[in-house]
Formats: sequence, structure tokens, C-alpha cells
Amino acid sequence: DIQMTQSPSSLPASVGDRVTITCRASQNIGIYLNWYQQKPGKAPNLLIHAAARLQSGVPSRFSGSGSGSDFTLTISSLQPDDFATYYCQQSYISPLTFGGGTKVEIK
Amino acid sequence: QVQLHESGPGLVKPSQTLSLTCTVSGGSISSGSYYWSWIRQSAGQGLEWIGRVHTSGSTDYNPSLISRVTISMDTSRNQFSLKLSSVTAADTAVYYCARDPSYDFWTDWGQGTLVTVSS
Repeated sequence: DIQMTQSPSSLPASVGDRVTITCRASQNIGIYLNWYQQKPGKAPNLLIHAAARLQSGVPSRFSGSGSGSDFTLTISSLQPDDFATYYCQQSYISPLTFGGGTKVEIK
Repeated sequence: QVQLHESGPGLVKPSQTLSLTCTVSGGSISSGSYYWSWIRQSAGQGLEWIGRVHTSGSTDYNPSLISRVTISMDTSRNQFSLKLSSVTAADTAVYYCARDPSYDFWTDWGQGTLVTVSS
């Protein structure tokens, strides 16, 4: 299985901050990398697919980059609604696997 | 807008079979090209993909669970289901059903249902 490693696991931040989350795959996955946001008690919500494609309806302050085994999710200016946990997920090969999550919390 | 809703027992005894159903509204599970998936989330294992059934009826399972899992479709009821046998406490999790537009990511999710394995 492809292992997905996210860092940091916890990220204290303030409204207006630029936030960057990293995801590393255990092997080359091209651009088959997706990002989700999850709030407490809710299902994950797709933000970005294919490493950098913004899902319809997702604010443009979210962006993704990377290819191969190293990827980043950036929030250009953190908003109050963005405090949540973020997960990466590889769609290169079955079994589809997720990172362990990064919790963006109030500093 | 398609909507998914999980249902089933919230408590299952060890060694028994966990059975959940996902009811889909706002679209037919037999139309188009979609994968209908089950994903679970536990404190210990994080998010784990369990498996999926395609619109065509073909299935694909996580090898870590393949000996215990069955996913099937009931097109007459617009539902798909999950059966996980020989459960243990490690199978305690929130179980989600979700729709994948055949790109191996999920655009639509149910709200999730907590299943606890305990005697």
C-alpha cells in the first residue's frame, strides 16, 4: 500500500495567516493526489483533486501544488471557517489511502 | 444534487456481521459511471477506504479487509450495502458511504454513522 504522511499533524494559526500543509507519498504518484477538509461531526469535503484542480465551489484561497511524491495545500489567507482538519488522499493505485490529517487550530 | 444516507445498527457484537445500507436520492445508482464506496474513520486508524461497487456491478476491496467484506447494489431500491463479517473492537468507527465519479476521489458523502462493536 502507498503510505501518505502529512505534516504537521497540528498547526496553530490566526485569521489572515498563510497556511501550508505538506503531504508526502511513499512512492511516486504523479499528480494523483486529492485534498479534503473535515469539520467535527461532518464528512470530509473535497477541496482539490489532481494535485492542483480546485473543486467547484471551493474558495480560491485554497490551492494545491506538487507532483511525484511531495505535495502542498496552501490557504492564502486563513478565514474563520477554515479551522478544520485537512487530509490528503492518493488516487494513483488501489487501495486508495489517506494521510493522517492536519488539524488547523486557533493560535 | 445527489444525497447519500447511511443506515443500520449502531451496535454490533464481536464476531457478528456488521451490515449497513446507503440510500441514494437525487440520482440513480445504475446510471452513468460511478463508484459507490464505503469509507470508515476511527480514532486509531484514521480514514480507511473499505471498498466500492461500480455502476456496472463490479467490486473492488481493500486487501486488508477483503476476506471479511462484501459490497453490493440493489438498483430497485437505489441502495448499496456493506457487510463486514467477524467484527472486533477494531472495527468500531464512523462509516461513510460516498460517490466517486470514476476518478478515485469522492465528491459526495453521507453524513456518516457510528458503529460500535461491543458485547
